[in-house]
Amino acid sequence: DAGVIQSPRHEVTEMGQEVTLRCKPISGHDYLFWYRQTMMRGLELLIYFNNNVPIDDSGMPEDRFSAKMPNASFSTLKIQPSEPRDSAVYFCASSLERVTEAFFGQGTRLTVV
Amino acid sequence: AQSVSQHNHHVILSEAASLELGCNYSYGGTVNLFWYVQYPGQHLQLLLKYFSGDPLVKGIKGFEAEFIKSKFSFNLRKPSVQWSDTAEYFCAVRTSGNTGKLIFGQGTTLQVKP
Repeated sequence: DAGVIQSPRHEVTEMGQEVTLRCKPISGHDYLFWYRQTMMRGLELLIYFNNNVPIDDSGMPEDRFSAKMPNASFSTLKIQPSEPRDSAVYFCASSLERVTEAFFGQGTRLTVV
Repeated sequence: AQSVSQHNHHVILSEAASLELGCNYSYGGTVNLFWYVQYPGQHLQLLLKYFSGDPLVKGIKGFEAEFIKSKFSFNLRKPSVQWSDTAEYFCAVRTSGNTGKLIFGQGTTLQVKP
């Protein structure tokens, strides 16, 4: 398996623009997580899905952030409109079952100028 | 709500020194515990995990961790660090009693001087 695949790897956008981050989990995994990593706040859980259903989105910073998982092999994290404080590395991770370890993608480094 | 606390934010060691990174979690039920490592510019990779059984678990690259239930702790250790261990280390907790939420500590940056 190719592992968790995220795209793009790097994104530079202007403030106010819409940004869409994409994730393809490992085939057969039923949990998908979105994390944001910054120097100040560390690794924050934004939202996670089980069998394509959002379970907990309490970590989503505000209404500008939204996430979807239309099927078992694809998820998106959208920021609209983007702001400079959204600059961070966004990681997607997936796991098989409720208790096992999660496997991480390479991350998307987002810079909002 | 579950939470994870890592006591050391930045640790500097010389090669061959021993390492211990602290991790405490807050959750009253059954937990699964993990340590991940993130090398500069890379994604998180699993070092070791604890689900049940022997509370002393061994991972890759000579790392080990001990689960002490009474202290809600899962400290990471390595007897002799190498320059290549320079990285950020994250402790994580996943509770088996609820819906599978996976929470990470703030991370500890380890710098090993050659």
